Amino acid sequence: TQLLEQSPQFLSIQEGENLTVYCNSSSVFSSLQWYRQEPGEGPVLLVTVVTGGEVKKLKRLTFQFGDARKDSSLHITAAQPGDTGLYLCAGAENNDMRFGAGTRLTVKP
Amino acid sequence: GAVVSQHPSWVICKSGTSVKIECRSLDFQATTMFWYRQFPKQSLMLMATSNEGSKATYEQGVEKDKFLINHASLTLSTLTVTSAHPEDSSFYICSARGEFRPSYEQYFGPGTRLTVT
Repeated sequence: TQLLEQSPQFLSIQEGENLTVYCNSSSVFSSLQWYRQEPGEGPVLLVTVVTGGEVKKLKRLTFQFGDARKDSSLHITAAQPGDTGLYLCAGAENNDMRFGAGTRLTVKP
Repeated sequence: GAVVSQHPSWVICKSGTSVKIECRSLDFQATTMFWYRQFPKQSLMLMATSNEGSKATYEQGVEKDKFLINHASLTLSTLTVTSAHPEDSSFYICSARGEFRPSYEQYFGPGTRLTVT
């Protein structure tokens, strides 16, 4: 079983601050996804990274896949209250997908 | 595209009864569907993987006789919680993988909150 470790587990910041969430594993993944989940709803796919070293930007969110495809990071610039939610990374290998424990982000106005 | 629905969105049932949850892919054919369980403030826990027309594969520790999964068509999978008990109360989420999409793309339903009294 591939294990994904996310850090930090909880993060509470003020509006306008920057933050980075990490997703690490000892396993190599063919792809890695980041999801955001709001209370009482299903996870929503934010991005998929496939190539080692790949960087993708989605407005104020920057996603990076490690060169060895074992880790990833999500950086949010100038966080807003609307960014509040549970951020989940998920690694895929051989049609098997595993989720990290999640980072619960709270952005205070 | 890639919309997945679940029904019901929430359900309350009495201990000992059975509850069926439906997961539908609305605009694509889902060759594989996944069922997850999520406790408050925790991550998703994969319960089982189902492929259309075949038996579901359950994760270790998940009772197949208690959580019956049927994937009878390319757009519908059902999860039946049999003889429900209060400890089965949880948020159940399904996801689907499309026939003509990359294998790593999963699309999630909105979830079903089950409360067993």
